[in-house]
Amino acid sequence: NAGVTQTPKFRVLKTGQSMTLLCAQDMNHEYMYWYRQDPGMGLRLIHYSVGEGTTAKGEVPDGYNVSRLKKQNFLLGLESAAPSQTSVYFCASSYSGLGGYTFGSGTRLTVV
Amino acid sequence: GQQVMQIPQYQHVQEGEDFTTYCNSSTTLSNIQWYKQRPGGHPVFLIQLVKSGEVKKQKRLTFQFGEAKKNSSLHITATQTTDVGTYFCAGLISSGSARQLTFGSGTQLTVLP
Repeated sequence: NAGVTQTPKFRVLKTGQSMTLLCAQDMNHEYMYWYRQDPGMGLRLIHYSVGEGTTAKGEVPDGYNVSRLKKQNFLLGLESAAPSQTSVYFCASSYSGLGGYTFGSGTRLTVV
Repeated sequence: GQQVMQIPQYQHVQEGEDFTTYCNSSTTLSNIQWYKQRPGGHPVFLIQLVKSGEVKKQKRLTFQFGEAKKNSSLHITATQTTDVGTYFCAGLISSGSARQLTFGSGTQLTVLP
């Protein structure tokens, strides 16, 4: 049982490049989330999904897009990376959205 | 929007001393959750409190939820070096299918041997 798997684990992008972060969960969870973590700022919600085919904006959605074509996968896209998007990105999932979240191991992204 | 404030930001203790971190929300919460993140790791769910005034214990850890469901605390008795990490509270507001967890900024605990 892998839980929540994020790929890649590390990435360095040049300003203006695009990339997609993949999150996969094998727990049949309905809810999935993308957070970013910056020093001293805790975890901030970027986008989330309450089920297959649905997405919604979180606290800091600008510059990111998401898709949830399959229940087990939640993709986070950066169309034109900026240095301000340098961060650690965590994906999480939850069965009903009411209980504890299961987090992936994170993606450390640097934009130069 | 909803805000969850957590203090202190940093805490250094000698091994064997107690530690407490506090969490306050600007709005009434459906529940509050606590997570631990080891250095270089990812947040791991510890516990969830739902009822007003609820107290739960996990070995040396004691979690409390305030009567108004707006504040919470985590107390660790007799810290050990294995307690090192950042502790986050996270408040849940549930409205229909919109269920968002808002995280506090965390308390980074250092335990000196």
